[in-house]
Amino acid sequence: QKEVEQNSGPLSVPEGAIASLNCTYSDRGSQSFFWYRQYSGKSPELIMSIYSNGDKEDGRFTAQLNKASQYVSLLIRDSQPSDSATYLCAPGRNQAGTALIFGKGTTLSVSS
Amino acid sequence: DAGITQSPRHKVTETGTPVTLRCHQTENHRYMYWYRQDPGHGLRLIHYSYGVKDTDKGEVSDGYSVSRSKTEDFLLTLESATSSQTSVYFCAISGDRAEVQPQHFGDGTRLSIL
Repeated sequence: QKEVEQNSGPLSVPEGAIASLNCTYSDRGSQSFFWYRQYSGKSPELIMSIYSNGDKEDGRFTAQLNKASQYVSLLIRDSQPSDSATYLCAPGRNQAGTALIFGKGTTLSVSS
Repeated sequence: DAGITQSPRHKVTETGTPVTLRCHQTENHRYMYWYRQDPGHGLRLIHYSYGVKDTDKGEVSDGYSVSRSKTEDFLLTLESATSSQTSVYFCAISGDRAEVQPQHFGDGTRLSIL
């Protein structure tokens, strides 16, 4: 099993719809989970952090974490063309002082 | 925005030449990282540093070396560049608890080796 798995996409949604991005991870000891957005030709940008089971909302973004299922998701409500980007899931490792694990990312395309 | 500056932003060089990329931070963060990003592979960790003169290898460290003589600077060196090292290189930083804190990225260096 890969450490972090994401569907590569592209995930295509119409403007105004809800985009749902999913991520599974293998390290049961991960305590932190991050979502990054990366526009083409740009660097990854942190958009959400979540540490506890359940939902965390920030504007149009909601992160959902289920540690028992080793699953984290990102919902984008009222999707806009400006949300078109690659979204990277990054769980923390269960080992002090090490780097995050990055998934390969899901490409989202929002059509107007 | 996190104070991270990568230089140069673009570089074209020839096979066999040495190349050094620089990452400079103004956040006084303990951890610094070098990644490369290639289509189909995502972000891959090359080396990271957990303090001055303290470094460790990542998953794709062959052909690369690093140095950190000051908290704010982390250098990545390709001793003898090869075409397979053509890539986009990102530097990232994080705080004292790297396993639970997010990383913040520089703008990247696009390196082409002909």
